[in-house]
Amino acid sequence: GQNIDQPTEMTATEGAIVQINCTYQTSGFNGLFWYQQHAGEAPTFLSYNVLDGLEEKGRFSSFLSRSKGYSYLLLKELQMKDSASYLCAVTDSNYQLIWGAGTKLIIKP
Amino acid sequence: IAGITQAPTSQILAAGRRMTLRCTQDMRHNAMYWYRQDLGLGLRLIHYSNTAGTTGKGEVPDGYSVSRANTDDFPLTLASAVPSQTSVYFCASSDPLGGLDTQYFGPGTRLTVL
Repeated sequence: GQNIDQPTEMTATEGAIVQINCTYQTSGFNGLFWYQQHAGEAPTFLSYNVLDGLEEKGRFSSFLSRSKGYSYLLLKELQMKDSASYLCAVTDSNYQLIWGAGTKLIIKP
Repeated sequence: IAGITQAPTSQILAAGRRMTLRCTQDMRHNAMYWYRQDLGLGLRLIHYSNTAGTTGKGEVPDGYSVSRANTDDFPLTLASAVPSQTSVYFCASSDPLGGLDTQYFGPGTRLTVL
């Protein structure tokens, strides 16, 4: 079966750095997405990786290792507004998006 | 309209009733999707449409139907609602032929079936 694993919840301090991991087992791979979802709101696109390596976008970076079935989202200089759930999703061989359950990130002052 | 809209925002429904959730996008995206999101579970695909006039079943299609008469609209119908269909429903759209196939989500419909 297809599976995406992420930690359920993480806590970090304002101004710090946090890394949210995602491992996947899917039938084929055509890219990995990270989305952010604030409570009660819709998911919004953060990043996309299809090749191995690090993609940097401001305070957020996303890393992919296809051979390990592994990705992480790195958030730097954490702000209170970063408190949200972070969803990892993989596009499989049929170009369907398979979603992880999400990681709830709690930022403390 | 800017982006993707859903209606209603929330609804309480008696079991056995029929309900249609509406979704409209103005981005001229070819592909549209309906998901449900339940606590502790990832987004689960109910139905999708790759282009107007075509639809397909996702991971959890039972009890739901869709239609795609035109590019902009993608309604989701619950023919006879059951309590297990209590969930938050998100509609999304994407443009697979436009490069990166990022999905854009509507604000969601919170449905409670009693």
